[in-house]
Amino acid sequence: GAVVSQHPSRVICKSGTSVKIECRSLDFQATTMFWYRQFPKQSLMLMATSNEGSKATYEQGVEKDKFLINHASLTLSTLTVTSAHPEDSSFYICSARETSLVTQYFGPGTRLLVL
Amino acid sequence: QKEVEQNSGPLSVPEGAIASLNCTYSDRGSQSFFWYRQYSGKSPELIMFIYSNGDKEDGRFTAQLNKASQYVSLLIRDSQPSDSATYLCAVRVSGGYNKLIFGAGTRLAVHP
Repeated sequence: GAVVSQHPSRVICKSGTSVKIECRSLDFQATTMFWYRQFPKQSLMLMATSNEGSKATYEQGVEKDKFLINHASLTLSTLTVTSAHPEDSSFYICSARETSLVTQYFGPGTRLLVL
Repeated sequence: QKEVEQNSGPLSVPEGAIASLNCTYSDRGSQSFFWYRQYSGKSPELIMFIYSNGDKEDGRFTAQLNKASQYVSLLIRDSQPSDSATYLCAVRVSGGYNKLIFGAGTRLAVHP
């Protein structure tokens, strides 16, 4: 089956620092990857759509300068949370869509805690 | 605003019973529908998808789609305590990039 990995699985950082999260599709090529955020007891909220070789498309209300997305290859997308603050603490989950298909497969998520 | 609505629950069913989870969506142009299961603290995992009106069965799971009523459901037969999780309904938005819009999820509790 389709496998998506994320690294790191958990990160604790100080307020004001930047954190990079990697999302990899391990056994398929993903033209499109998606980044979600989930706060406790809430549903998934799509932050942005990442397309290989082009700029990401951000959802309304998501600051593109704060959440930098790079999709440099067909198997890797990165999300960088710049100048993180405690309110950015959340569960960040990526998903990847195999190029020829519609179905999205999720990575295991990254739990970010900003102190 | 395209929306996906689910009853938040909890839906409590005894072990061995059928659990019925429901979802409605607002985008009449949607063509693809997905059910994901999410255990507490974990990321969602795909259970099944459905594109055509009617029923689609996979093991103990049956997805039902009625595009005229903009309604999709998931039936879980012979429910087990391990099925206790939050079930997320997702609808692919008509237009580019194959974005999914998720419902808030229904929490299912299967008690022995």
